[in-house]
Amino acid sequence: EIVMTQSPATLSVSPGERATFVCRASQSVRSDVAWYQQKLGQSPRLLIFGASTRAPGTPARFSGSGSGREFTLTISSLQSEDFALYFCQQYNNWPLLSFGGGTKVEIE
Amino acid sequence: EVRMVESGGDLVQPGGSLRLSCAVSGFSVGSYYMNWVRRAPGKGLEWVSVIYSGGGTYYADSVKGRFTISRDNSKNTLNLHMESLRVEDTGIYYCTRDLYLDSSGWLHTFDVWGQGTEVTVSS
Repeated sequence: EIVMTQSPATLSVSPGERATFVCRASQSVRSDVAWYQQKLGQSPRLLIFGASTRAPGTPARFSGSGSGREFTLTISSLQSEDFALYFCQQYNNWPLLSFGGGTKVEIE
Repeated sequence: EVRMVESGGDLVQPGGSLRLSCAVSGFSVGSYYMNWVRRAPGKGLEWVSVIYSGGGTYYADSVKGRFTISRDNSKNTLNLHMESLRVEDTGIYYCTRDLYLDSSGWLHTFDVWGQGTEVTVSS
């Protein structure tokens, strides 16, 4: 099983600031990583796949990078609607898919 | 419009059974890889099971032998039959659809999610 570890668990940021958080895989997953956003009471929404490709409807302020074992998601200028929980997922070891524990982005 | 609506979540005692359904509209459930993903209270997401477009299935070790995924193409629904339920099976269960791109084929990440149905296993 590939373990995905996200850090930090919580990130406190002011609106308009940049937010960057990390997802590390226990072994190489090439670029087979996706990022999701989940707001309270809603289902997750796909933001990024292939480590860096924005899904349709994902604003340009969201960018993903990385390959191998380390991946980052950056929000260039936080908007009020971006305060949420973010999960990474690897799909390199399909069908044994796995998710990170999540990073909560909260208002500072 | 593409939409998926889960139902069937309930409070059940440990050892009990439950059947979840996911009503799909806007695409054919038999044409896609379809999954169940769950989220336990205060925890992250956990992939549970997949049914391939060809009909094959696969399960997470944590549910293997207890859960059965199936689909009904005539009703366009995805199902999850859960037996021998444990307290640790408590959570919100989502049906999800694998992303398919003409340029890349199947990418086993999820572009469509239902709203979720809540399962509570407790005595």
